[in-house]
Amino acid sequence: QVQLVQSGTEVKTPGASVKVSCKASGYTFTTYGIIWVRQAPGQVFEWMGWISAYNGNTNYAPKFQGRVTMTTDTSTSTAYLELRSLRSDDTAVYYCASGGSAHDYWGQGTLVTVSS
Amino acid sequence: EIVLTQSPDFQSVTPKEKVIITCRASQSVGSNLHWFQQKPDQSPKLLIKFASQSLSGVPSRFSGGGSGTDFTLIINSLEPEDVATYYCHQSDASPNTFGQGTKLEIK
Repeated sequence: QVQLVQSGTEVKTPGASVKVSCKASGYTFTTYGIIWVRQAPGQVFEWMGWISAYNGNTNYAPKFQGRVTMTTDTSTSTAYLELRSLRSDDTAVYYCASGGSAHDYWGQGTLVTVSS
Repeated sequence: EIVLTQSPDFQSVTPKEKVIITCRASQSVGSNLHWFQQKPDQSPKLLIKFASQSLSGVPSRFSGGGSGTDFTLIINSLEPEDVATYYCHQSDASPNTFGQGTKLEIK
């Protein structure tokens, strides 16, 4: 069955960077794009962007342009999200999702805490 | 960006009750509107895609409808395990956006 397994909890200080991974299995990785979405405590979901696993094309939400990089490694069926210049309001659970434009499949989430 | 507004924000419900959740988009999203269920400390789970398409493994008491700007998620005969927060999500335009959520609680 399709699984998206994300890397573990991260604790970062303000100004640092974080890189979260999302390893896919159970389907041909290059078939679907990957989106990254975050959910801050008590807040709504926030779409951060999309990357094509086929050719690496990206589409970032304007809010994160310049601070985010999404990449994929097709040899390991893994997608990566890097977020730089972290602030306290970046504290959230970060999710990857895949499976077409309806995003049928979701990772388990990665908690990123930004605190001095 | 497209704003999705759900109604209600919160509803206290009894088992076997019929529940209707609405999602209104600030501009047309066609049928590119999907419904997710999220239980505490769990990832979102897709329930309905493209407004009305049901998914394998999702109980038949969940159904969706609508197009353009107005959409509904219906839960026929609510079960206790349906207590969760429900979100609509549009993938028609970038940036994709989500509704603010509708939290269901058992009375």
